[in-house]
Amino acid sequence: DIVMTQSPDSLAVSLGERATINCKSSQSVLSTSNNKDYLAWYQQKPGQPPKLLISWASARESGVPDRFSGGGSGTDFTLTISSLQAEDVAVYYCQQYYSSPLTFGQGTTVEIK
Amino acid sequence: QVQLQESGPGLVKPSETLSLTCAVSGYSISNGYYWGWIRQPPGQGLEWIGSFYQSGSTFYNPSLKSRVSISIDTSKNQFSLNLSSVTAADTAVYYCGRLHGFCTSSGCYATFDIWGRGTMVTVSS
Repeated sequence: DIVMTQSPDSLAVSLGERATINCKSSQSVLSTSNNKDYLAWYQQKPGQPPKLLISWASARESGVPDRFSGGGSGTDFTLTISSLQAEDVAVYYCQQYYSSPLTFGQGTTVEIK
Repeated sequence: QVQLQESGPGLVKPSETLSLTCAVSGYSISNGYYWGWIRQPPGQGLEWIGSFYQSGSTFYNPSLKSRVSISIDTSKNQFSLNLSSVTAADTAVYYCGRLHGFCTSSGCYATFDIWGRGTMVTVSS
């Protein structure tokens, strides 16, 4: 199984400031056949199911604010919130879909400082 | 608008079988897409349990494969999860969801683009 490791486990950021979450996979999730990274990011607010934010490492889902951006390739990825808003308080998960079984990171909690 | 709703007992005794149903509205599961189950133990991360296609093909996480079965009822537009021989480690919020991707005989390669609200299942005597 591909192990997904996120860092940090939690971070506190001031409103309007940048938040960056890291995700590292135990093996590459980059497909050489189509040059795509099989990496997704989810946001989970308390008491709610996860919401898909980004797929293919950097492609935002419809309706996701452009302050959310994904980057990286191969084994190292980042989710950046460029200007943290109060509604962004949540736990964020990365997920790889390059290899079965599908696996998720342990989650990163984002709070307001 | 596609919506999913999980239902089932909130309490299951150890060694018994956990059974949940996911009712889908706004889309006929016979028309396509892969669908599946994910769980989240309290305060922990997410674990993919298994998925299926409308053809009846099923795909399971190897870690749970010996205890899991997923079935489909197209007449009711719903699908079900059975997890046998449960222990306290199976206590979790169980979500059903729609996959955006595909599955093959080797497994599933997909994100989850639509989720149910989840149902908490506690395993305890």
